[in-house]
This record gives sequence, C-alpha cells and structure tokens, in this order.
Amino acid sequence: DAKTTQPTSMDCAEGRAANLPCNHSTISGNEYVYWYRQIHSQGPQYIIHGLKNNETNEMASLIITEDRKSSTLILPHATLRDTAVYYCIVRVLDDMRFGAGTRLTVKP
Amino acid sequence: SQTIHQWPATLVQPVGSPLSLECTVEGTSNPNLYWYRQAAGRGLQLLFYSVGIGQISSEVPQNLSASRPQDRQFILSSKKLLLSDSGFYLCAWSASGTAYRPQHFGDGTRLSIL
Repeated sequence: DAKTTQPTSMDCAEGRAANLPCNHSTISGNEYVYWYRQIHSQGPQYIIHGLKNNETNEMASLIITEDRKSSTLILPHATLRDTAVYYCIVRVLDDMRFGAGTRLTVKP
Repeated sequence: SQTIHQWPATLVQPVGSPLSLECTVEGTSNPNLYWYRQAAGRGLQLLFYSVGIGQISSEVPQNLSASRPQDRQFILSSKKLLLSDSGFYLCAWSASGTAYRPQHFGDGTRLSIL
C-alpha cells in the first residue's frame, strides 16, 4: 500500500472551510484514497473515499489531483465538533494502515 | 442502517487473566469483520479479519485469538494477558463482495493491564 504524508496539525476558524492536504505520490492505479477522523477516545469515523474523480457527500468533499499523487479533504463549514485527528489512507486490501494524521483544531 | 457495538468500553485486567471482547453488527448480512489495536499515540494495527463464520485470518503473531461464532458476532480473546496487550481495541465491519468498501469502526474498548 502507498505511503501518505499529512501535515501534523492545522487550525481553522469556525464557519470557514477546512482544507486538509494529503500526499500519496506512490499510489498505484487500483488504490483508493480514504479519509477518516478520530475524536479523542472514540473509534475512527469514515468520511469519504475516491479513486479518480472528485467526490462529495453530506460530510465533506474529496478533491483528487489528475495524477492522483495528492488529494484534499474539504470540510465546507467547519464547526467546533470537527476538531479531531484526520487520517488519509491509501489502500487496496483490507488493512487500514492509519498513520499519524493531521490534528485539526477548529477555533471560535 | 447498520450499527456496530463493542463492549465493554473500558476494562482493567490483571496480568495473566483471560480476556473476551465482543463485537456485534446490526443491519447487514455476511459482513467482513476486523479487530484492530491502537497503542497510545500510534496508528492502527490489524490483528484479525474474517470474511465468514468460522473463517479467521491472523495478521500478527501474538497472545490473542479471534472467533466468529455467528455471522455478525466477532470475539477477541486471550487465555493469559500480558502487559503489552494494553491498548485501544477496535472492531470494524465492511460490506462483503469487494475490497474497496470502506470499513466502519465501533467506539472501541480501552484495555489496561495491571
């Protein structure tokens, strides 16, 4: 599975869009990009996933570059409850290899 | 909708005692089931996964075992706990049929070994 690189931490103002980047330059053609988040003391929560095309659901949007070497998770209107560690994962098999993720802090 | 339940939420056990953690899924049939462990400040480590009743694959040699006695029930066990078994244990499920379906996690069991 491809390795991912994410910033250690980010801040975002409440009500503004949060843009979380992820680099996955070694991604292979059949690997999907998944995003999860984990609030302290809880299990990871699935957010969104995609292969090539941009994806949107009720929680977020996922923008994948044309070469698929990076992606951005967008939370359109961040709230205080979006404060969490966000994980970008690239996989093709069953093992969800969570790295250190990005600690997003939404500030009032 | 599908839900996943894990219990207990927290557990404190002495070294050498047995362990049984249970996970059940509702609202789906024949799910793939997974057990992960998350050590403090670290990523998730896949311990076991199952694609059907009685079918268990182990990812890491360890002091733990898993069983799937029913379609939507997954159990993590140990006969004798070690200090190194402390951690946050997470159960997850995904829809069967394709490896690309996302996994959905329970709220975990925080296990402390004394």
